[in-house]
Amino acid sequence: NAGVTQTPKFQVLKTGQSMTLQCAQDMNHEYMSWYRQDPGMGLRLIHYSVGAGITDQGEVPNGYNVSRSTTEDFPLRLLSAAPSQTSVYFCASSRLTGVTEAFFGQGTRLTVV
Amino acid sequence: KQEVTQIPAALSVPEGENLVLNCSFTDSAIYNLQWFRQDPGKGLTSLLLIQSSQREQTSGRLNASLDKSSGRSTLYIAASQPGDSATYLCAVDFGNEKLTFGTGTRLTIIP
Repeated sequence: NAGVTQTPKFQVLKTGQSMTLQCAQDMNHEYMSWYRQDPGMGLRLIHYSVGAGITDQGEVPNGYNVSRSTTEDFPLRLLSAAPSQTSVYFCASSRLTGVTEAFFGQGTRLTVV
Repeated sequence: KQEVTQIPAALSVPEGENLVLNCSFTDSAIYNLQWFRQDPGKGLTSLLLIQSSQREQTSGRLNASLDKSSGRSTLYIAASQPGDSATYLCAVDFGNEKLTFGTGTRLTIIP
């Protein structure tokens, strides 16, 4: 069982570069989301999606874009990387109704220099 | 504002002891509450999910309770082992399609 798969695991970017963090799940979950984790601040929601074609902003959306063209995939795009985006990024998925247990990927550690 | 708090931030316990981790939340109208474990440099592993209508859930040596009226959840770990050392995170779904996380309790089990 693959669960939630994130790539890459590590990435170093220069300020101003763009990149896409990939997230895929094989559990047919409707709900997918992206969080960033910073020391002392816990996990904060960036963007989320309740189904293909539907996305919405979370707590800290600035500087990030998402799209949801399929149920399985939910990529996160950094448009112009800034040092403040240095963080660990986690993708999660869950059912939207009933037992909505959330499952997380292993994370992407991003450093912007 | 809907918030989740975990105190203490760090806890050290001798091996074999039973222990309790605390989670408090500001709004009693929750949909569910989930406990996670995070090892250093790793992702989050789901431990237990408690639905709003439930009072507790058990998995092996772990027992999680939920008291919505007081805005509290506890994670009880029986007969602690060094392998239980990790950061434990509490997350609440307030019914707004988002999980709100506490900042976690870093648990160290001393052999």
